[in-house]
Amino acid sequence: QKEVEQNSGPLSVPEGAIASLNCTYSDRGSQSFFWYRQYSGKSPELIMFIYSNGDKEDGRFTAQLNKASQYVSLLIRDSQPSDSATYLCAVSGGYGQNFVFGPGTRLSVLP
Amino acid sequence: DTGVSQNPRHKITKRGQNVTFRCDPISEHNRLYWYRQTLGQGPEFLTYFQNEAQLEKSRLLSDRFSAERPKGSFSTLEIQRTEQGDSAMYLCASSLAETGTGLNIQYFGAGTRLSVL
Repeated sequence: QKEVEQNSGPLSVPEGAIASLNCTYSDRGSQSFFWYRQYSGKSPELIMFIYSNGDKEDGRFTAQLNKASQYVSLLIRDSQPSDSATYLCAVSGGYGQNFVFGPGTRLSVLP
Repeated sequence: DTGVSQNPRHKITKRGQNVTFRCDPISEHNRLYWYRQTLGQGPEFLTYFQNEAQLEKSRLLSDRFSAERPKGSFSTLEIQRTEQGDSAMYLCASSLAETGTGLNIQYFGAGTRLSVL
């Protein structure tokens, strides 16, 4: 059984701070890793993906992957109240394989 | 192209009735996925198609659930003899799987919220 774990939160940070979201996965064969943002009542929206060890930056977002530790994280710099949402970590085993999602971490950015 | 489209957005039905949902993927995408999401949980994989072929079904998927993608374009998900436990958001996603990198980015529709009374 492939599992993806995340802290459910809520994670509260003040506006302008760095929010750090963590995800661990059980399948060592996993190859692609995705972060989705989901506002309440809405569908998941892709933020970033990563498939190589290390960091990947896109604007205020940085994804970090450590395959040896089976760990992926998302950092949000200069957090804004509009970043308040649930962040879903998704893991794929590779070509053609479906995603396994974590339960999501609810982030609240306080003005 | 405006993305993945799902209809209806909301469906209320009585227990025991059959329901059918439709998903229109992004036009050039060859893969189409169905997920179910309940409150406080991440999306749970149900099944996926590559073109018209259904390649994988979740072992958790009851035989009351069936999905089709007859011409490799839109897909339907049917639930027969609905139960209260079927109440959830049903999400459709599509992707263009890249054979070179293996990268498979899924884009989600707005979902169909099912309520079984």
